[in-house]
Amino acid sequence: GAGVSQTPSNKVTEKGKYVELRCDPISGHTALYWYRQSLGQGPEFLIYFQGTGAADDSGLPNDRFFAVRPEGSVSTLKIQRTERGDSAVYLCASSLSGRYNEQFFGPGTRLTVL
Amino acid sequence: GEDVEQSLFLSVREGDSSVINCTYTDSSSTYLYWYKQEPGAGLQLLTYIFSNMDMKQDQRLTVLLNKKDKHLSLRIADTQTGDSAIYFCAESTSSSNTGKLIFGQGTTLQVKP
Repeated sequence: GAGVSQTPSNKVTEKGKYVELRCDPISGHTALYWYRQSLGQGPEFLIYFQGTGAADDSGLPNDRFFAVRPEGSVSTLKIQRTERGDSAVYLCASSLSGRYNEQFFGPGTRLTVL
Repeated sequence: GEDVEQSLFLSVREGDSSVINCTYTDSSSTYLYWYKQEPGAGLQLLTYIFSNMDMKQDQRLTVLLNKKDKHLSLRIADTQTGDSAIYFCAESTSSSNTGKLIFGQGTTLQVKP
C-alpha cells in the first residue's frame, strides 16, 4: 500500500507570507506526527494528533504555527508570517495508534523562506 | 530533561564493522530506535530495542543497550557502500503517552570502497 505522502516536496516563499504543508498518512493510521528538521540536526517534534484532535502540541515553537486534521486523516501544517528561521524540512509521520507503534515517515517538505 | 547525543561522523572501509554510539539522559526511556536517512528519502526505521533488553540482533545489525550508563550503540557488520547514510538514534519515554520521538543530531556514516 501507499506510504505517507507530503505535498509540496519543495516550497519557496518570502518572509511574511503564509504557507500550508499537507500530509497524507497511511490509511487506517489514527496517530499523526509533525516534526521539523533543520540543516544538520535531527528531527524535532512539533505536534501529535490522535484522530482529529491535537493531543500534544507542546513542540510548536510559537503561535504562528498551527496544524489541523479535521477528518482524522489528512493533516495540514499552517505557518503564518513566515520567518527565515522557519526554513527547514517538515516531516510527517503516522502510526497505527500512537505510543509503542512504529512511526512511518514521509519524504518531507523542504521549506525555504527568503 | 530529554536529550540525545551522537557523534557526528564515522568513516569505515567496505567490509569492516561500523559502530555508531548514542547517549541519552531520560531514565524513563521505554523504547530506543535507530533510523536511517538517505539523501532525498524519508526516515527509515532500522531497528529498535525495549528498555528492559540488553541486546538485539537483526541480520547485520546489533543493538546494545547499557541502561546504567544510558548508552546505546548500533553495530553494522560487513558494512557496504549502500549503508552510507545518516543514522539517528531516538527515544520515546514513559513520561510522554503520545509516543513522540526525541532524536539525536545524527551520525553521518561514510563507507569507502
